[in-house]
Amino acid sequence: AQSVAQPEDQVNVAEGNPLTVKCTYSVSGNPYLFWYVQYPNRGLQFLLKYITGDNLVKGSYGFEAEFNKSQTSFHLKKPSALVSDSALYFCAVRGVYNFNKFYFGSGTKLNVKP
Amino acid sequence: GAVVSQHPSRVICKSGTSVKIECRSLDFQATTMFWYRQFPKKSLMLMATSNEGSKATYEQGVEKDKFLINHASLTLSTLTVTSAHPEDSSFYICSARGAERAANTGELFFGEGSRLTVL
Repeated sequence: AQSVAQPEDQVNVAEGNPLTVKCTYSVSGNPYLFWYVQYPNRGLQFLLKYITGDNLVKGSYGFEAEFNKSQTSFHLKKPSALVSDSALYFCAVRGVYNFNKFYFGSGTKLNVKP
Repeated sequence: GAVVSQHPSRVICKSGTSVKIECRSLDFQATTMFWYRQFPKKSLMLMATSNEGSKATYEQGVEKDKFLINHASLTLSTLTVTSAHPEDSSFYICSARGAERAANTGELFFGEGSRLTVL
């Protein structure tokens, strides 16, 4: 079975500090991993994905994520947080046997304080 | 990235009425669309997969007769909540992945969501 876990409901960070939003996955086979961001009352926006290749993936708005196979993790990171980064972040893994099915984590609310 | 448009963004209706939500892919053809439901402070729950020209595939526990899905063209899927009740109040989000895009690696593109409130 495929699943992702986001262990933190909420992450608080001061503006200008680095941020990390954690995600671990469980999948048989090679994982296709994604990060999305959701602003209040809006749909999800794609940030980045890992399919294959370099473990460090760079995405939109200065975000990056590091794929770690041994730790089965795909943590989202940003060197310097902005107040405008405050939003809900979802990690997702694509189904191995059903390519159409994406499994989303429970979401992590990021609060960046000035 | 691709654009998926969803309408209406907000709808308020009386209990017992039916509500239709549209999801359109604006700059690509979407052979497959997905409908999600999001509860407050919760993750997204996949309701059904909408396939152009064929019947939708519903997830376990989702009532087919309550949530009617139609995907009549490559750019439009509709979700109709029939005989809506207050417990159907939620945030409904559609997503799509185009036929041209790599089926195995393509990300989903999401609509802006529709907030349904049933009085």
